[in-house]
Amino acid sequence: AQKITQTQPGMFVQEKEAVTLDCTYDTSDQSYGLFWYKQPSSGEMIFLIYQGSYDEQNATEGRYSLNFQKARKSANLVISASQLGDSAMYFCAMREGPRSGGYQKVTFGTGTKLQVIP
Amino acid sequence: GAVVSQHPSWVICKSGTSVKIECRSLDFQATTMFWYRQFPKQSLMLMATSNEGSKATYEQGVEKDKFLINHASLTLSTLTVTSAHPEDSSFYICSARTRMNTEAFFGQGTRLTVV
Repeated sequence: AQKITQTQPGMFVQEKEAVTLDCTYDTSDQSYGLFWYKQPSSGEMIFLIYQGSYDEQNATEGRYSLNFQKARKSANLVISASQLGDSAMYFCAMREGPRSGGYQKVTFGTGTKLQVIP
Repeated sequence: GAVVSQHPSWVICKSGTSVKIECRSLDFQATTMFWYRQFPKQSLMLMATSNEGSKATYEQGVEKDKFLINHASLTLSTLTVTSAHPEDSSFYICSARTRMNTEAFFGQGTRLTVV
């Protein structure tokens, strides 16, 4: 079974509009973390936002917010006021195990290609 | 955020030769480094995890003798692709974290082309 599922291979959004990128996950661990990374065409992975499984409030970082619904095992990324520079691949990822533990495997989803239209 | 530098950013080599890729954490000590491989338009596949001073832990299906990983210090890990073949052509990317980090920080990636 897929650990991380991103069902949207591609998305379009009008500049200045908000967009939601979907991510669902599967784990039996009680302690885990969810990440979103952005990968521009140049290839580097840029960390955007993190949500811990015990965090009660949804994470926010500037224009990025993570809509964490634990019971539904979803961790959608919301980008507000889209900009042309937001066009990129977006990956959802999950770390299983305690934050300060030893070896922790991070599993990535298949990604969503977001294109912002002027 | 913390900076991870990966070198080279791209390399072309002849089939049968070996290629070394370096991953350095510039402003923090990385107790753990991860090596990923990414095929075009696909996700990142974890190849191995290395902890400073110990042998790397390889994922199932990854050939240890072909992809040599050395994590000699808290700031440097290397991936050597030995006897490279065209099917090894791919985008390789490293990431690094400390025990207390929530997130791992990524290098810029290395695009390897074997001809």
